Amino acid sequence: KNEVEQSPQNLTAQEGEFITINCSYSVGISALHWLQQHPGGGIVSLFMLSSGKKKHGRLIATINIQEKHSSLHITASHPRDSAVYICAVRSLASGTYKYIFGTGTRLKVLA
Amino acid sequence: EAQVTQNPRYLITVTGKKLTVTCSQNMNHEYMSWYRQDPGLGLRQIYYSMNVEVTDKGDVPEGYKVSRKEKRNFPLILESPSPNQTSLYFCASSLGYTDTQYFGPGTRLTVL
Repeated sequence: KNEVEQSPQNLTAQEGEFITINCSYSVGISALHWLQQHPGGGIVSLFMLSSGKKKHGRLIATINIQEKHSSLHITASHPRDSAVYICAVRSLASGTYKYIFGTGTRLKVLA
Repeated sequence: EAQVTQNPRYLITVTGKKLTVTCSQNMNHEYMSWYRQDPGLGLRQIYYSMNVEVTDKGDVPEGYKVSRKEKRNFPLILESPSPNQTSLYFCASSLGYTDTQYFGPGTRLTVL
């Protein structure tokens, strides 16, 4: 079992729909990141969370440390949101400074 | 412009021919890292560096070497590449381990 699991793996939505992508993890973490990878391959960081909720434009990220779960929400989705969304956790293991990634959620938003 | 650069962007090589992928950042970041991305496996960390002359293994270090002689550069060295190292490689940097990472554009490597 992977230490970081994302669901769903693939998601197709109609423009305007509300989208939720989930990330669950089984290790101790100091923070969780959400990344976006566009079809061209470039990766950008969307959010870094250690508790609560963050909002940037139409994107909202939440984390529940006790339940070891995070969600990324996209409101009023648009075709330009089509990308792979990747969850990454910053390990809390003593003496290491590693990142562990989920395998990504491929989102396609249709016009 | 603040950025992470990688070279080359594309490389096709043969088994056993030593190669180096360069990574450079102009943001005075202390933390730098190398990842590989493979279909179905996602991103996996190869090596990371907390600062000059401080490096450590990630989850998949076998077959790779790194060095951090200057703060801005973090080259990835494949001394004897094999076909299972065919992958998409990303370099990333952040101010510190606890900060947002900035990713390079990626290097697509094919080992025949």
